[in-house]
Amino acid sequence: DAAVTQKPRYLIKMKGQEAEMKCIPEKGHTAVFWYQQKQSKELKFLIYFQNQQPLDQIDMVKERFSAVCPSSSLCSLGIRTCEAEDSALYLCSSSQWEGRDSDYTFGSGTRLLVI
Amino acid sequence: GEQVEQRPPHLSVREGDSAFITCTYTDPNSYYFFWYKQEPGASLQLLMKVFSSTEINEGQGFTVLLNKKDKRLSLNLTAAHPGDSAAYFCAVGLIDRGSALGRLHFGAGTQLIVIP
Repeated sequence: DAAVTQKPRYLIKMKGQEAEMKCIPEKGHTAVFWYQQKQSKELKFLIYFQNQQPLDQIDMVKERFSAVCPSSSLCSLGIRTCEAEDSALYLCSSSQWEGRDSDYTFGSGTRLLVI
Repeated sequence: GEQVEQRPPHLSVREGDSAFITCTYTDPNSYYFFWYKQEPGASLQLLMKVFSSTEINEGQGFTVLLNKKDKRLSLNLTAAHPGDSAAYFCAVGLIDRGSALGRLHFGAGTQLIVIP
């Protein structure tokens, strides 16, 4: 399927609660990326998996998030203890190296609101 | 690491006028270049991808220019219409470890308003 699926579309959590969102990458794609976007501003890179292994992540993810890809068809991003500043759109993207035909596919995102 | 600067952050044009957005990047090994459109509350919609070997690319109602010497990528919306009102993001990608696509480095975005 030529699509990245993200669930849920919307997520509301209280401060201190745990949050989890899932991403099903495009079939055949081996790289998965997570980005955070606040208020339609710039996209902030969070973490990158290649063949289910995390290859790069920012310090904030190491400290407060949990991210795994238990299979080639499922990845998840979790926040252990939600804070107000975590309210954002979380976008998952997948890609596959195909030379000039390489591309990135983005999901519709999970919009998290922490109250 | 790669730094991508996008200008202007906000742009208002009248319907029928051109809208010009530019990004500069720092890594000479940058290989893939993208322009995305994002409407309010929505995800990213790919407008065009450009490879390092191509300099001028034309799409439906817009032109993308890549100047490798100046490390500059630009998007020119010709004859803008109200439906073009959205946020626009440039993104730059590098090849990771020789055989994969690495993360994208995004510009900060341009909020475009097309006034009828």
